[in-house]
Amino acid sequence: RKEVEQDPGPFNVPEGATVAFNCTYSNSASQSFFWYRQDCRKEPKLLMSVYSSGNEDGRFTAQLNRASQYISLLIRDSKLSDSATYLCVGELDSNYQLIWGAGTKLIIKP
Amino acid sequence: DTGVSQNPRHKITKRGQNVTFRCDPISEHNRLYWYRQTLGQGPEFLTYFQNEAQLEKSRLLSDRFSAERPKGSFSTLEIQRTEQGDSAMYLCASSRTGVNQPQHFGDGTRLSIL
Repeated sequence: RKEVEQDPGPFNVPEGATVAFNCTYSNSASQSFFWYRQDCRKEPKLLMSVYSSGNEDGRFTAQLNRASQYISLLIRDSKLSDSATYLCVGELDSNYQLIWGAGTKLIIKP
Repeated sequence: DTGVSQNPRHKITKRGQNVTFRCDPISEHNRLYWYRQTLGQGPEFLTYFQNEAQLEKSRLLSDRFSAERPKGSFSTLEIQRTEQGDSAMYLCASSRTGVNQPQHFGDGTRLSIL
C-alpha cells in the first residue's frame, strides 16, 4: 500500500462549481499535512497546510479526518485558473520527512 | 528574490556523460531535499540534508547519483554515466525542521538525455 494515495483524475468540472477530492495516508502517527498545487511543467507550490481543526483560505477549505486517515480539499466557485494538479503531502516519519501523493488533475471548463 | 534557486534550468546531454546540478536553498532553512519527477507522477524522493549532514538516501537511487552540501548552504547533485531513464525534472526544496514546516521548491532542472 502506498503511503499517500490520491485519485489521479482528471476531474472535469464546470466553472463556478464546487469540487472536492480526498487523499488517504497510511502513517497514523503523521502530524503534518499539506496541499500543493502544480501547474504543467512547473514546480509544486504550497497551497495550504492542513490543520486538525480544518482550515480555510478564501475559496479553499482543507480538512483532516484522523479516524479514517484522510485529508480533503474543497474548492468553491472554481475558476479556470484553478486548473492544475493538486498534490497531497503527508509526514513520513518522526524525522518530519514528507511523502508525496501522485497528484489529482483538475480541469475547470468554461 | 530569496526563494530556492536551481541551475541550470535545462540540461541536454548525451548518454554516458556526467551532469551536475546546483541548488541554493532559502537561507534560514536547514533542510534541503532533492526529488525527481516524471510526467504524471508526484515528486520522488532522492535524498535530503539537515545542515551539511546527508540523513537519508532513497533505496531506489543508484550509485551513479551523489549529492553534497559541504557547508550546509548550497547543494549539488551529480549523476555519473547518465542513462536515458535519467531524463526527468530534478527538483530541490528546502524547509525548516519541525512540525508543520512546508517545503519550498525551486524551479527545477529539466534533464534530457539524448
